[in-house]
Amino acid sequence: NAGVTQTPKFRILKIGQSMTLQCTQDMNHNYMYWYRQDPGMGLKLIYYSVGAGITDKGEVPNGYNVSRSTTEDFPLRLELAAPSQTSVYFCACNRGGAQYFGPGTRLTVT
Amino acid sequence: QKEVEQNSGPLSVPEGAIASLNCTYSDRGSQSFFWYRQYSGKSPELIMFIYSNGDKEDGRFTAQLNKASQYVSLLIRDSQPSDSATYLCAVLEYGNKLVFGAGTILRVKS
Repeated sequence: NAGVTQTPKFRILKIGQSMTLQCTQDMNHNYMYWYRQDPGMGLKLIYYSVGAGITDKGEVPNGYNVSRSTTEDFPLRLELAAPSQTSVYFCACNRGGAQYFGPGTRLTVT
Repeated sequence: QKEVEQNSGPLSVPEGAIASLNCTYSDRGSQSFFWYRQYSGKSPELIMFIYSNGDKEDGRFTAQLNKASQYVSLLIRDSQPSDSATYLCAVLEYGNKLVFGAGTILRVKS
């Protein structure tokens, strides 16, 4: 039981490039979330999903897209990377009201 | 959008002392509250959650909730250097989403 896994751990992108951050959970939970965390800041919700085929925007969705075709996977897509998207990205799933986080992806856009 | 406020710190306490971390929230209707610990470069991990007014104890940790005053506290007894981390307070809102404070840095000096 790996919980929540994320790939890659680190990535450097050039401005304008695209990439997909992968998130997979093996706990069969319906609710999944994507957050970003900037230095010295709390977590800001980007997108969330209440189950396969259902997604919704969080507090900071601009510049990102998500899909949820299966219960296990919740990828986050950056289409045109910008320096403002330099951050640490965490995926999480919900169990019993609490959220449990993956190890994170550190993204730098230069 | 609910707001969650925390003193950024750092809060410095000597080893063996009680560390007291505080959090205030804006929505009087909030019902569920969570404390996460985050070590540098790692993902947040759940320490405790509390739903009812009063105290909830788990080992060296005690969460305190005062809904009338809209604050949540986390007490860490017999603080250890390994407790040095950032502590994030979070409040549950509709859709099983969490709103996080920016976190308080705790430093335990041996």
